[in-house]
Amino acid sequence: QQQVKQSPQSLIVQKGGISIINCAYENTAFDYFPWYQQFPGKGPALLIAIRPDVSEKKEGRFTISFNKSAKQFSLHIMDSQPGDSATYFCAASKSSGSARQLTFGSGTQLTVLP
Amino acid sequence: NAGVTQTPKFQVLKTGQSMTLQCAQDMNHEYMSWYRQDPGMGLRLIHYSVGAGITDQGEVPNGYNVSRSTTEDFPLRLLSAAPSQTSVYFCASSYNRVRGELFFGEGSRLTVL
Repeated sequence: QQQVKQSPQSLIVQKGGISIINCAYENTAFDYFPWYQQFPGKGPALLIAIRPDVSEKKEGRFTISFNKSAKQFSLHIMDSQPGDSATYFCAASKSSGSARQLTFGSGTQLTVLP
Repeated sequence: NAGVTQTPKFQVLKTGQSMTLQCAQDMNHEYMSWYRQDPGMGLRLIHYSVGAGITDQGEVPNGYNVSRSTTEDFPLRLLSAAPSQTSVYFCASSYNRVRGELFFGEGSRLTVL
């Protein structure tokens, strides 16, 4: 059972365009929603994260929009650049016993064309 | 600082063989974990540890063992490799078991024939 559903699986955007990746979750106990960026041959790295007490968080060209009632959150990449081409994973977690465990979405492969 | 170091980067095994994937971190992180990454499946948690001597199971623990004798090291053992364990394995650590970002290694690609 996939607790975090991510779409689309792949995305192609022109340079300067807006990239949008969507995620939906089922478990209302989730209280932390990070996005990770992964380049080929590398491990994922934290890009930006949000907690459910805010509806939006912006860091540079990257924005998370969060809709608690719909149990959805999305990543917007403004003015997309070829260097943004990577795989993006949304994730969600809750404090579980003695450790926080992340549940990841299936990933979106973003290609930004020059 | 090297961060999270995984070895080997590539490994080919035959069904039934055993092996250990090594993971070491030099950031004095108390929390360490192993994930496997498969196409279309995202990353799935195998095992994790909140400190030396403490380990617990994640989402997909079957066929894997872990131990945490030191803060720095968290090896993942495959007892009897199966083709279903063909995957890319990532070790990750965090300074705090409750909050804080995960720092990932560069991965170990395992093929089981």
